[in-house]
Amino acid sequence: KAGVTQTPRYLIKTRGQQVTLSCSPISGHRSVSWYQQTPGQGLQFLFEYFSETQRNKGNFPGRFSGRQFSNSRSEMNVSTLELGDSALYLCASSLIAGGNNEQFFGPGTRLTVL
Amino acid sequence: QKEVEQNSGPLSVPEGAIASLNCTYSDRGSQSFFWYRQYSGKSPELIMFIYSNGDKEDGRFTAQLNKASQYVSLLIRDSQPSDSATYLCAVKIRSNTGKLIFGQGTTLQVKP
Repeated sequence: KAGVTQTPRYLIKTRGQQVTLSCSPISGHRSVSWYQQTPGQGLQFLFEYFSETQRNKGNFPGRFSGRQFSNSRSEMNVSTLELGDSALYLCASSLIAGGNNEQFFGPGTRLTVL
Repeated sequence: QKEVEQNSGPLSVPEGAIASLNCTYSDRGSQSFFWYRQYSGKSPELIMFIYSNGDKEDGRFTAQLNKASQYVSLLIRDSQPSDSATYLCAVKIRSNTGKLIFGQGTTLQVKP
């Protein structure tokens, strides 16, 4: 079974631009969560989607948004990029949103903002 | 107080020894607990998850959960140099969400 895929793997953008990242969960998984990882803050939860609905949102500004499609694939968008948005963006896939389910991470998208 | 706390390390153990990694959490209602391993430059890889008090074993790994003490640990038996990585503890606070709260991670060094 294929794992979680994320595209692109690397991105370089400049301040003020916007970016869209994509995540395809494991086949059959319907829940996708997004995390930001930085050396200073560690792994922080961005948001969670299940059945095309955002179920939970972390403490990030409104410049960070996401969506999920009917095939469970998810995208996240960051508008008006800031230098501090440079990070590894990870998506995690699980069967459903609740309960005691394992979450599997994709390889991540490394975003650099210049 | 941080929601999930880990000693950042590094924790150094000789090859073949038992490595013990610890994690404490602040929310008494936390539901399930995850251990991830992350190699430098890679994404986190799930090692184990546990949600009932007691021990759970998988190969060389044993997760231990004590909800009364709000403490979860990971033991790695017969440690190998390839186990050298950062180990992340993650906690799911509510059962109706997939949101995980992560600790800062413990760096493990296994010396040949």
